[in-house]
Amino acid sequence: NAGVTQTPKFRILKIGQSMTLQCTQDMNHNYMYWYRQDPGMGLKLIYYSVGAGITDKGEVPNGYNVSRSTTEDFPLRLELAAPSQTSVYFCASRPRLAGASLPSSYNEQFFGPGTRLTVL
Amino acid sequence: AQSVTQLGSHVSVSEGALVLLRCNYSSSVPPYLFWYVQYPNQGLQLLLKYTSAATLVKGINGFEAEFKKSETSFHLTKPSAHMSDAAEYFCAADTGRRALTFGSGTRLQVQP
Repeated sequence: NAGVTQTPKFRILKIGQSMTLQCTQDMNHNYMYWYRQDPGMGLKLIYYSVGAGITDKGEVPNGYNVSRSTTEDFPLRLELAAPSQTSVYFCASRPRLAGASLPSSYNEQFFGPGTRLTVL
Repeated sequence: AQSVTQLGSHVSVSEGALVLLRCNYSSSVPPYLFWYVQYPNQGLQLLLKYTSAATLVKGINGFEAEFKKSETSFHLTKPSAHMSDAAEYFCAADTGRRALTFGSGTRLQVQP
């Protein structure tokens, strides 16, 4: 298994440009997430999805859009890039819990290698 | 709202010394807690997790963490630091919202 893969690894955008960050997982996980990591700030949740066709906002969704047409793919779209979106973006996935009421069955999140985006 | 606080953005230890990275959470309900490690230019890798099965949790690479409800803490320790432990460490919590709340991270330096 490749796990969680992200493309591109690096990208420089001009203000106002748009782009899509790709995320694919081959583990048949139901849950997928997008986080951004700013220096000294930890990771913040942008959007997440609990399955194909279902997405929801996280802490910092403004300026981003997502879609989840398949279990494997969870692309993140930036429509009008702004300098404030300069960050490292991580995609993650987690399997659906078989026994959600059992703490010991909690599944970890698996992270991709990240996309480093600079907006100038 | 759930928050996770990591005391000390940078920690420096000598090789062979004890590693102690601090994490406190704020929640009326004890969450699931995690420690992740991030090596330069890589994604996050799970070190260990607390899911209420045991308060002392052992992870990979000789790390362990103890959950203390009375102190709302989940500090990460390793008895003897190795040069390869130099990385950034993140504490994270999940109170059932299906996503993680991360601390701001602690960069560990290991001096020879």
